Amino acid sequence: GPKVLQIPSHQIIDMGQMVTLNCDPVSNHLYFYWYKQILGQQMEFLVNFYNGKVMEKSKLFKDQFSVERPDGSYFTLKIQPTALEDSAVYFCASSLGTGGAETLYFGSGTRLTVL
Amino acid sequence: GEQVEQRPPHLSVREGDSAVITCTYTDPNSYYFFWYKQEPGASLQLLMKVFSSTEINEGQGFTVLLNKKDKRLSLNLTAAHPGDSAAYFCAVSALENTGGLSGKLTFGEGTQVTVIS
Repeated sequence: GPKVLQIPSHQIIDMGQMVTLNCDPVSNHLYFYWYKQILGQQMEFLVNFYNGKVMEKSKLFKDQFSVERPDGSYFTLKIQPTALEDSAVYFCASSLGTGGAETLYFGSGTRLTVL
Repeated sequence: GEQVEQRPPHLSVREGDSAVITCTYTDPNSYYFFWYKQEPGASLQLLMKVFSSTEINEGQGFTVLLNKKDKRLSLNLTAAHPGDSAAYFCAVSALENTGGLSGKLTFGEGTQVTVIS
């Protein structure tokens, strides 16, 4: 089936540094998402993105977070600067359309550890 | 906002037995419901999406029951086998205030299922 690839699978970074998480979404998909899962907790919506713009973001999407998909390449989540509480697994997802019934295809996640 | 509670967090089941995972949700505008399976190191795999109330939806080796009256969604693994060992997540999407639907999902906390041979 369609695959979403996330690179890298693990990333360790010092607090205060910048990190960019990369996502290669399904090729013909138009909507992109980031979800965050802190260890032992449920996955939570961060942001969705369409046509070069953020459509909706949650309160977890702090000012230090940004997303972009330059020239149809990777969909990225940048955190600058990182904080200890940013340690989590970040899941990227994409969908062909939006509307609730659309299937979101997820990547396998990037585990971010902020020291 | 929507809250989704999933139980149990961990589940051990003998091979050949059945097991049930249940999610309850709070938003009466919840409209589409999903079950995902995640094997270690892999991405979330969609098992089923449902929207009809009180229907049993059958998949390969499992059934899904949605009861909108009780705001309850359940996944029943029938005749569990070792390949069912994984984390399972329910997810819900709700109508927005505009009356439309978005791709934003609210997830349950997940259930780690271990099938014992």
